[in-house]
Amino acid sequence: KNQVEQSPQSLIILEGKNCTLQCNYTVSPFSNLRWYKQDTGRGPVSLTIMTFSENTKSNGRYTATLDADTKQSSLHITASQLSDSASYICVVSVNTGGFKTIFGAGTRLFVKA
Amino acid sequence: DVKVTQSSRYLVKRTGEKVFLECVQDMDHENMFWYRQDPGLGLRLIYFSYDVKMKEKGDIPEGYSVSREKKERFSLILESASTNQTSMYLCASRRLNYGYTFGSGTRLTVV
Repeated sequence: KNQVEQSPQSLIILEGKNCTLQCNYTVSPFSNLRWYKQDTGRGPVSLTIMTFSENTKSNGRYTATLDADTKQSSLHITASQLSDSASYICVVSVNTGGFKTIFGAGTRLFVKA
Repeated sequence: DVKVTQSSRYLVKRTGEKVFLECVQDMDHENMFWYRQDPGLGLRLIYFSYDVKMKEKGDIPEGYSVSREKKERFSLILESASTNQTSMYLCASRRLNYGYTFGSGTRLTVV
């Protein structure tokens, strides 16, 4: 069964600290993996996309990694800011030529001053 | 700035009412989607459309229908709203192999 599991479910960190969010998937055949940021009351916004051959991609203070062998991805946030408080959703697309995508339940990050 | 616009941010409806959720995109995307988002669950696909007047059931289509009469507009219809349809509804559009662009969501409460 195609699944995407994220951990932790929620996380509280102090402003300026780093954190890492995890995503494990059992999706096959794999097409790509995206991380989205969802602010409260808003729709998700894409942060990064990674294909099978990529293992690191950065977008400002956000760095995503992908290990296609172990089917794990992480999102590392450096020098967190209050505006990083949001839900982070891992999304894996299935390579079937269509639109099959599996969404993780998300990690809720709270950055405190 | 490209946009997906959902007509209502918040809605409160009574059980048994017919409810229309509207979504408009200005990116000329062929593909549009309706998801619902509930706490602790990932986004779940209700319906999608890959062309005007075309629609496909997603994972949880029961109790919903959709309409796509124009390329830019995709409507979700709750034929007879029930309390278990209280949820956040997200509309999205995309081109194949590209990421989703989501609307801001409609939080629907059925009482």
